[in-house]
Amino acid sequence: QKEVEQNSGPLSVPEGAIASLNCTYSDRGSQSFFWYRQYSGKSPELIMSIYSNGDKEDGRFTAQLNKASQYVSLLIRDSQPSDSATYLCAVNIEGGADGLTFGKGTHLIIQP
Amino acid sequence: KAGVTQTPRYLIKTRGQQVTLSCSPISGHRSVSWYQQTPGQGLQFLFEYFSETQRNKGNFPGRFSGRQFSNSRSEMNVSTLELGDSALYLCASSFGGAGANVLTFGAGSRLTVL
Repeated sequence: QKEVEQNSGPLSVPEGAIASLNCTYSDRGSQSFFWYRQYSGKSPELIMSIYSNGDKEDGRFTAQLNKASQYVSLLIRDSQPSDSATYLCAVNIEGGADGLTFGKGTHLIIQP
Repeated sequence: KAGVTQTPRYLIKTRGQQVTLSCSPISGHRSVSWYQQTPGQGLQFLFEYFSETQRNKGNFPGRFSGRQFSNSRSEMNVSTLELGDSALYLCASSFGGAGANVLTFGAGSRLTVL
């Protein structure tokens, strides 16, 4: 059974610092990896997707993937109070029958 | 362009009743997925429809069903409601072709079962 594990937090980070969010997954067949952000009372919105080992940068966000360690992370540089949200890690197996498997999310708080 | 539209946004039902939720995907998207979100279990996959066919199904009882119409709009139905069915039901659409698909979520339908 596929599992995606995240520290539920809350993770408290001062404004302007780097927030580091981590995720591990159990299924070595996982091929696609996503980070979604969910504000309280809202639906998830895609932040980053990553498919191959290494780093992928998009503005203040960097996703890191290490398939050998079954580990994916999200770094948020120059954290802003508006980054305060729950961050959901999701993985997908190509051709898999289970859709995206989500972690339960990490609650991030950026302190002004 | 318009996003994913879910209706109704909020509803209250009693145990034993049934409920139907609707989802209109982004124009051009042919895949619609449904997820249940609860504080305890997080986001859990219900099923995915593509070209009017159920392509994938999660681990939920048969009380949960869905369908997709020729215009890609989808409905999900929950029969014989239980208290534990209270949740946010999220619909997500994607192009649905080969390869990884990025999901765009709707605002959700919040169901309360009394």
